[in-house]
Amino acid sequence: AAGVIQSPRHLIKEKRETATLKCYPIPRHDTVYWYQQGPGQDPQFLISFYEKMQSDKGSIPDRFSAQQFSDYHSELNMSSLELGDSALYFCASSHGRLNEKLFFGSGTQLSVL
Amino acid sequence: QQQVKQSPQSLIVQKGGISIINCAYENTAFDYFPWYQQFPGKGPALLIAIRPDVSEKKEGRFTISFNKSAKQFSLHIMDSQPGDSATYFCAANTGTASKLTFGTGTRLQVTL
Repeated sequence: AAGVIQSPRHLIKEKRETATLKCYPIPRHDTVYWYQQGPGQDPQFLISFYEKMQSDKGSIPDRFSAQQFSDYHSELNMSSLELGDSALYFCASSHGRLNEKLFFGSGTQLSVL
Repeated sequence: QQQVKQSPQSLIVQKGGISIINCAYENTAFDYFPWYQQFPGKGPALLIAIRPDVSEKKEGRFTISFNKSAKQFSLHIMDSQPGDSATYFCAANTGTASKLTFGTGTRLQVTL
């Protein structure tokens, strides 16, 4: 069965650079969520989209932005990267805005040097 | 402020034993309580979930016990196996949003 696909798998950036993370949800899933997980930490909700509109917002820095496209894939854009942005970024998808069954991708490991 | 508190932080159980992980929550608006299993380098995977209208849910070797008055819920893994070694997260959310609030995680190691 198709799963949530994230790219790239690993990303290394310098401070103050920009990064773009991509997420391709499970087919027919219309809701995408982004989470940030620091080393040894629990995943923290950043932002979610339903039918290409932002549906919920968590602890996402102003330096980050995200959107969901017409094919339901989503991109997380991160600017002016800081050392503290180094983390595992997960995307999850679900069918329907209030469907609690979230399916997570394998994540993008971002390292900011 | 951690809205969902999880314990223990780490747990070592012998093969065949019972693994028990506990969570407590503050927000009485929470009405969905899933457990996720995460292997290193992988995303969390939904294991089992419960709603407050039942006190227990069992799926195979995994059981959730829920105590609404105490605002606590726990995961029991019966006949624990080395393949169960992973990090387990409890989580919660409300009916009006799908954003999950995770606990701090429990690293489970099942020894031979």
